[in-house]
Order: sequence, then C-alpha cells, then structure tokens
Amino acid sequence: QVQLQESGPGLVKPSGTLSLTCAVSGDSITGSHWWSWVRQAPGKGLEWIGEIYHIGSTNYNPSLKSRLTISVDKSKNQFSLKVTSVTAADTAVYYCSRVGITGSYQDYWGQGTLVTVSS
Amino acid sequence: QSALTQPASVSGSPGQSITISCTGTGNDVGGYNYVSWYQQYPGKAPKLMIYEVSNRPSGVPDRFFGSKSGNTASLTISGLQAEDEADYYCSSYTKSGTREFGGGTKLTVL
Repeated sequence: QVQLQESGPGLVKPSGTLSLTCAVSGDSITGSHWWSWVRQAPGKGLEWIGEIYHIGSTNYNPSLKSRLTISVDKSKNQFSLKVTSVTAADTAVYYCSRVGITGSYQDYWGQGTLVTVSS
Repeated sequence: QSALTQPASVSGSPGQSITISCTGTGNDVGGYNYVSWYQQYPGKAPKLMIYEVSNRPSGVPDRFFGSKSGNTASLTISGLQAEDEADYYCSSYTKSGTREFGGGTKLTVL
C-alpha cells in the first residue's frame, strides 16, 4: 500500500521560505510515477502547485513558478517543496500526491499539513 | 478564479441521481481525455473517484459515472446515499503540460 506523509514547519514568517517534505513508502520514488504537490487555502478549493519526476524533470503552476522549487531525494525516497517570499496568501493545507501511471491523475495522497504564514 | 468551472453546490435526496458539470476549454477538458474527479470530506485528503473521464479506480462504487462532451465533463452519482455528501473537484491536464482543478462543488444529500 502506497503511503505519503508530509512534514515541515507549521508556521512561516512573511517573506520567508516555506519548506515541506513528503516521505513515500510502499513505492519507489525512482519508479514510473511523477510526484506532485497540491494546496488548499482555508475554505477554498484545490490548487495544483507542481510535480517532479525522479530524473529531475519538473512542471510548475505558472502563477507560482518564480517562487517554487520541487526536488527529489532518492536516498531517502522522498521529495520536497520550497516556496520563497511567502505571504498570507500562501497559508494553506499542503498535500503531496502520486501521479497515476498514465500521468493524468493523482491516485495516492498524503493526509495534508497546514502551513500558516504569519509574523 | 479556477480555470475549470463547476457549480458551487448541488443537492439531491437519497436514491436520486445528481450530475456535477466541469467546463473548461479546448486547451484542457476538450483537448484531452485526461479529466479526473476527486471526493473530499471536511478535513480529509481528496480521494480519486474517476480518472481519464470515465474510469473508476478499484473500490469506487459503480454509482459514480464520468462522461465528457466537448469542453464539459460530468460526474453523475446515481442512487444517492448520505455518505456521498462531500465536496467534489474535477481536474484536467492542459495543453501547457500543467494541471488545473475546478472550484469544487458541495454535494448536499437532503
């Protein structure tokens, strides 16, 4: 059974950097799947952030691209998200997920972690 | 504002059928058979219900049916049950190689 678990600070100061990690179990991050991040602001809908393939290929949401970095740590079977210059608008529950084998959907999700941007 | 348009809310009585629409453009919904649907309960992670327009993952009841016509995809739930009350989101792959979600639809079972 594939499981994903997000971790990272729950509070980030404005203008700082948000950093999260997603630990993957039950599957190899170097397999045939892409790995993605999705966020959900309080009371709002889902927003796709971006995704990565283990060789380093990435796709990013154009509206966030200038502030994003998604990377993979093969030795730890995990991938990470960094968002720079955060504001209150970045306050959200952040989910990591696995992209299905055909690349068109997300089949496994982490439980999500709330990140609040506040001084 | 989400790229894909969904109704904010739909409702139905137990046993009835409801349909949730998801309207995009030829650059996303209309251009690819890569529409998926997710169910989300409050405080929980989304769950994949339909992928590639009309395919159901193992374990999803056949009461959930997905379809597409032109730039609009639809999720139909038949034999509505109380446990179906949740938020539903559509998602599509795009011509730009990115993904986008709809704004979400709150389903109320009366």
